[in-house]
Amino acid sequence: AQSVSQHNHHVILSEAASLELGCNYSYGGTVNLFWYVQYPGQHLQLLLKYFSGDPLVKGIKGFEAEFIKSKFSFNLRKPSVQWSDTAEYFCAVEVGFQKLVFGTGTRLLVSP
Amino acid sequence: GAVVSQHPSWVICKSGTSVKIECRSLDFQATTMFWYRQFPKQSLMLMATSNEGSKATYEQGVEKDKFLINHASLTLSTLTVTSAHPEDSSFYICSASNRLTNTEAFFGQGTRLTVV
Repeated sequence: AQSVSQHNHHVILSEAASLELGCNYSYGGTVNLFWYVQYPGQHLQLLLKYFSGDPLVKGIKGFEAEFIKSKFSFNLRKPSVQWSDTAEYFCAVEVGFQKLVFGTGTRLLVSP
Repeated sequence: GAVVSQHPSWVICKSGTSVKIECRSLDFQATTMFWYRQFPKQSLMLMATSNEGSKATYEQGVEKDKFLINHASLTLSTLTVTSAHPEDSSFYICSASNRLTNTEAFFGQGTRLTVV
């Protein structure tokens, strides 16, 4: 069965620190990969997505992710986090038309 | 991005009653809607996929007679939890997409259901 694994359940950083959230997937087919963010009390929002092409994907708000096929990974990065990045982050793999399997999520707390 | 609205945002109901949750696409026509459930400290789990005008497709382990899904129009899908029990308490989230025009699905804000 398809699955997505996010290694860090909780991450606490100070402002300006660099961020990397791990995501590994198990899916045998061609993968479309996503990172979503959910700010407190708000909808899930798409941060970035990978369908094909350049494995380094840039998203909104300074986030980027790198698809490494050999490692089945799609880690999310940001060089310098801000307090406003406090949120929960979900990695997901598309297993059918916009049908997603999500990871368990990572709660990020950025202290000012 | 496009807007998807769920109603209600939270609901408390008595055991044995039914609860209806609405998912609306406000500024686009949603040919496909997805219903997810999220238990505390767990991931979002897909429950079912509904295409406008046809029966929903349920994921393995999801009881179709308990979780009734209707997608009668291009802007509205409803999930009815029938004869709710405390174990149905969860966070239910919908997403909506247009197969022809969207490259991503857009999510509602979720509905927290508590069955007492």
